[in-house]
Amino acid sequence: NAGVTQTPKFRVLKTGQSMTLLCAQDMNHEYMYWYRQDPGMGLRLIHYSVGEGTTAKGEVPDGYNVSRLKKQNFLLGLESAAPSQTSVYFCASSDEGMSEKLFFGSGTQLSVL
Amino acid sequence: DAKTTQPNSMESNEEEPVHLPCNHSTISGTDYIHWYRQLPSQGPEYVIHGLTSNVNNRMASLAIAEDRKSSTLILHRATLRDAAVYYCILRDPPGGTYKYIFGTGTRLKVLA
Repeated sequence: NAGVTQTPKFRVLKTGQSMTLLCAQDMNHEYMYWYRQDPGMGLRLIHYSVGEGTTAKGEVPDGYNVSRLKKQNFLLGLESAAPSQTSVYFCASSDEGMSEKLFFGSGTQLSVL
Repeated sequence: DAKTTQPNSMESNEEEPVHLPCNHSTISGTDYIHWYRQLPSQGPEYVIHGLTSNVNNRMASLAIAEDRKSSTLILHRATLRDAAVYYCILRDPPGGTYKYIFGTGTRLKVLA
């Protein structure tokens, strides 16, 4: 049972470098989300998608871009990484419906030096 | 915005019941109340959710106030494995799309 898979699990970047985080789900869910979690803090929503080809901004979207070209994948891009983007990134997915559960991946630890 | 308010931290003795409160005064009539928990170094996991009636599952019980402006997650017998951050969340904005906004949650410490 794969569920929600995030790659990579760890990454170290230098300031100004770019990278893409991949989230893949095998549950045929419509909705996908990217959150970040800073040490000792709760999760903050970066971007989300309500279906293939759609994306929308969350609470903290600046400095990130996303794409949902295929229903099962949700990509999070950092065009020019900054130390303030050092965080743990979590992807989640859910089906349609007001009562549907969120399923989370195991996270990506990103450090920007 | 649909916001929830939870205490920052709580403590419980092992094998005793724990009541974790959550206030959500801006809840809309169709919003479900969800609870998730995050164990150390893991992603959040679903615990329970409900709309109006009290709910039970193998992990916990959810008691929802009659006016739906507050709820309580009940762990009937806390174990050391229940030590985690517990999040009470609603959909935001009320009645809008299905994006879930997490607050800072309640850090539960279980004492042996």
